[in-house]
Amino acid sequence: DAGVTQSPTHLIKTRGQQVTLRCSPISGHKSVSWYQQVLGQGPQFIFQYYEKEERGRGNFPDRFSARQFPNYSSELNVNALLLGDSALYLCASSAVPGTDEKLFFGSGTQLSVL
Amino acid sequence: QKEVEQNSGPLSVPEGAIASLNCTYSDRGSQSFFWYRQYSGKSPELIMSIYSNGDKEDGRFTAQLNKASQYVSLLIRDSQPSDSATYLCAVNMDSNYQLIWGAGTKLIIKP
Repeated sequence: DAGVTQSPTHLIKTRGQQVTLRCSPISGHKSVSWYQQVLGQGPQFIFQYYEKEERGRGNFPDRFSARQFPNYSSELNVNALLLGDSALYLCASSAVPGTDEKLFFGSGTQLSVL
Repeated sequence: QKEVEQNSGPLSVPEGAIASLNCTYSDRGSQSFFWYRQYSGKSPELIMSIYSNGDKEDGRFTAQLNKASQYVSLLIRDSQPSDSATYLCAVNMDSNYQLIWGAGTKLIIKP
């Protein structure tokens, strides 16, 4: 079975541009979460979607948005890119949200903003 | 402010010894605790989860939880060079099930 897949793996953008990152969860998983990880830090929660509805939002500006499609895949959009948006963006899937939720991560998208 | 604290390391341990990784968290009402391993340039992978006070063992790994002290640890017995990685502690302390992550401890196993 395929794991969580993310695309693209690497991306270089300039300030002010917009970017879309994509994620396909493990088959049967209905929850997708997005995280930002800056080098040397732990992942920071951005969004969680479950059954196509937003379940949670982290402390990120409105430039960040996401959605989940009927097949449970997801997109993360970032508008008006800033240098500080440079990071590894991780997508994680899980069967259902909950206190014992175990996350399975994709390999990530490394975004560089110049 | 909900926080998870870890010593950033690096923690250097001889091969075959026990590696002990520690994590403290700020929210006394936290319910679920996870240890993830992250190799350099890779994404995190789940090693252990623990929900109740005490010890939980899985192969060479033991997770320990003390809710009164707001402390969770990971022990790795018979450490191998392949255990060299950053170990992330994650705690579910939010009613919306959002995980709060520590910055990770870099572990180096010396042959």
